[in-house]
Amino acid sequence: DGGITQSPKYLFRKEGQNVTLSCEQNLNHDAMYWYRQDPGQGLRLIYYSQIVNDFQKGDIAEGYSVSREKKESFPLTVTSAQKNPTAFYLCASSVFSGADGYTFGSGTRLTVV
Amino acid sequence: GENVEQHPSTLSVQEGDSAVIKCTYSDSASNYFPWYKQELGKRPQLIIDIRSNVGEKKDQRIAVTLNKTAKHFSLHITETQPEDSAVYFCAASIDGNQFYFGTGTSLTVIP
Repeated sequence: DGGITQSPKYLFRKEGQNVTLSCEQNLNHDAMYWYRQDPGQGLRLIYYSQIVNDFQKGDIAEGYSVSREKKESFPLTVTSAQKNPTAFYLCASSVFSGADGYTFGSGTRLTVV
Repeated sequence: GENVEQHPSTLSVQEGDSAVIKCTYSDSASNYFPWYKQELGKRPQLIIDIRSNVGEKKDQRIAVTLNKTAKHFSLHITETQPEDSAVYFCAASIDGNQFYFGTGTSLTVIP
């Protein structure tokens, strides 16, 4: 389904816990991205990576961390330092840069309980 | 940084009518402008894009226009159908990595 898979679809986190969202693609895309989507707001970039072992902060990176150990995988960790983590998280990939258009995953809805 | 504003936030049209969604951007260095469609409960999908060296691009019933001087671009959907109902997002980018998205337009096509 689209070549980019996010899991889980729904995730519940207790206050003070770290959680990791998975994003895997089999499209052989070089670039991968994490966005956060809140009601009434556009997508906001958290982190992106153009090559393995390298990633860059987006506009709202505070309280998040990522790794890119494999081309296919770009997991996002939401740390306890993220003050308002409840949101819908979208992972995307593109051939090299986003100027080729993104392929989005189906998203993970994170709720803090 | 770049600021993208999108209007209207909601739009209802009768089936068969046209729909227009407008976006403005602030950074004149932005040179790539994609539009994404997100149906309820589904992932956003790229429907059309335009680069700054082009003023208009069409793909069947959808078209995008770009006015670099005024720093705005618009999505036009003609002969709307119920399956066009979705949230549409515009975006702007300078480098193809950092994208700035509009806040979305919820389009409802009334049969």
